Amino acid sequence: NAGVMQNPRHLVRRRGQEARLRCSPMKGHSHVYWYRQLPEEGLKFMVYLQKENIIDESGMPKERFSAEFPKEGPSILRIQQVVRGDSAAYFCASSPGPPGYGYTFGSGTRLTVV
Amino acid sequence: AQSVSQHNHHVILSEAASLELGCNYSYGGTVNLFWYVQYPGQHLQLLLKYFSGDPLVKGIKGFEAEFIKSKFSFNLRKPSVQWSDTAEYFCAVSLNNDMRFGAGTRLTVKP
Repeated sequence: NAGVMQNPRHLVRRRGQEARLRCSPMKGHSHVYWYRQLPEEGLKFMVYLQKENIIDESGMPKERFSAEFPKEGPSILRIQQVVRGDSAAYFCASSPGPPGYGYTFGSGTRLTVV
Repeated sequence: AQSVSQHNHHVILSEAASLELGCNYSYGGTVNLFWYVQYPGQHLQLLLKYFSGDPLVKGIKGFEAEFIKSKFSFNLRKPSVQWSDTAEYFCAVSLNNDMRFGAGTRLTVKP
């Protein structure tokens, strides 16, 4: 049973380009969470999704960032017109139910904006 | 392979008991270490972190952790748990900004 799969592992984008980060939850998990880790800081919550629904996006920046979790396929975190400050590690976690127990993390995607 | 191990999957304690949750990692080199907590129905929050300096780190809510480099360990402790400490606890290790998480330990505190 594969864990939470994130790809790509590393992503380099030039300023102004778009970044797409993918997260495939564990089998049987229908809840997905995205976190961002800035250098020298801990994780910051961004968004919580269930299939086809955004449950809580209180941690998402108001502009340029969006997330989806379609009926089929992985969850996507999309960052439009990237800026240097978007450089960070982005982690996805999944769970079989609402936030609480049973969280499993992916290995993260490291985004570097040049 | 580099990994983070949390030895206890589920710990059950009575209120006022002392807590120690184990965390070991297999990375070489200089690491940053974290403990996160997830209360039921809530998202992760940072309990404490170690980057350098005093290996005994104090965090929020009376938690502390000790970094023992020779043992590759970063165990979480609290002298006297409360019912409100019932949660899941994650250890995380960061090396060159590559962060890995343990599988989590569920703590249940009985009133």
